[in-house]
Amino acid sequence: NAGVTQTPKFRILKIGQSMTLQCTQDMNHNYMYWYRQDPGMGLKLIYYSVGAGITDKGEVPNGYNVSRSTTEDFPLRLELAAPSQTSVYFCASSYPGQPLNNQPQHFGDGTRLSIL
Amino acid sequence: AQKVTQAQTEISVVEKEDVTLDCVYETRDTTYYLFWYKQPPSGELVFLIRRNSFDEQNEISGRYSWNFQKSTSSFNFTITASQVVDSAVYFCALSEAQGYSTLTFGKGTMLLVSP
Repeated sequence: NAGVTQTPKFRILKIGQSMTLQCTQDMNHNYMYWYRQDPGMGLKLIYYSVGAGITDKGEVPNGYNVSRSTTEDFPLRLELAAPSQTSVYFCASSYPGQPLNNQPQHFGDGTRLSIL
Repeated sequence: AQKVTQAQTEISVVEKEDVTLDCVYETRDTTYYLFWYKQPPSGELVFLIRRNSFDEQNEISGRYSWNFQKSTSSFNFTITASQVVDSAVYFCALSEAQGYSTLTFGKGTMLLVSP
C-alpha cells in the first residue's frame, strides 16, 4: 500500500497564481484532512472531510478551497496565491472506527510551497 | 477551545542520556485522545502513540515511555538512553472525541542528540 500520496513535493508560485495540491489515499479511509506547517509552529488544520461530498473548515481555511468527489482523493486549491501561504502542506487520513474512538491519522510526506 | 502547549522549544542531549519532552493540554471535553508524532529531518510525520482520556496507565515501548496524568493535564514523553536517530521534532496533539478526529497540535519540541 502506498498510504497517503501528495503531489507535487515542491512548488514555487508567483503571487496571484493558482494551483491545486493533490492528495490521494489507498487505505479506504473516510476521514481526510489538510494541515499547514509554518516554521517553528505546529500543524494547523485547514479543511477536513468525513466522506465523499462532505467538507468542513478547520482553523485556517481562508484562501483555500477543497472538494471530495471520491473516497480516495482530497485536493486542496489555492485560488490567488499570497506570500502568507508559503508553508509545508500535509494531507492526512484516518479510519473513523467506532464512535468516539478517534484513530491516529496517517500523513503524506508533505508539499513544500513557496510563493514569491 | 482546545490547546496543546509544548514549552520546550529545543532540547540538546548527549547520546545515552535520558530525556523527557513535556506536553500540557487544555480541553473541556471529558472524552479525548492524546497523540505523539515524530518528524525526523526528512520531514514526514510518524505516529508514535495514542492514549484516550480514560486510560491513565503509563505505557512503555522499548526505549520510549509515556506518562499521562489527568490531574495535571499532562502527557509527557521520555526517551531512555537516547540515540542520534532520535533527533527530530516531536509533536504532541489532542483530538476531542466529538471532533471527527481532527488534531490540535503543539508547536513541537526539537530534540538534538549528539554523539
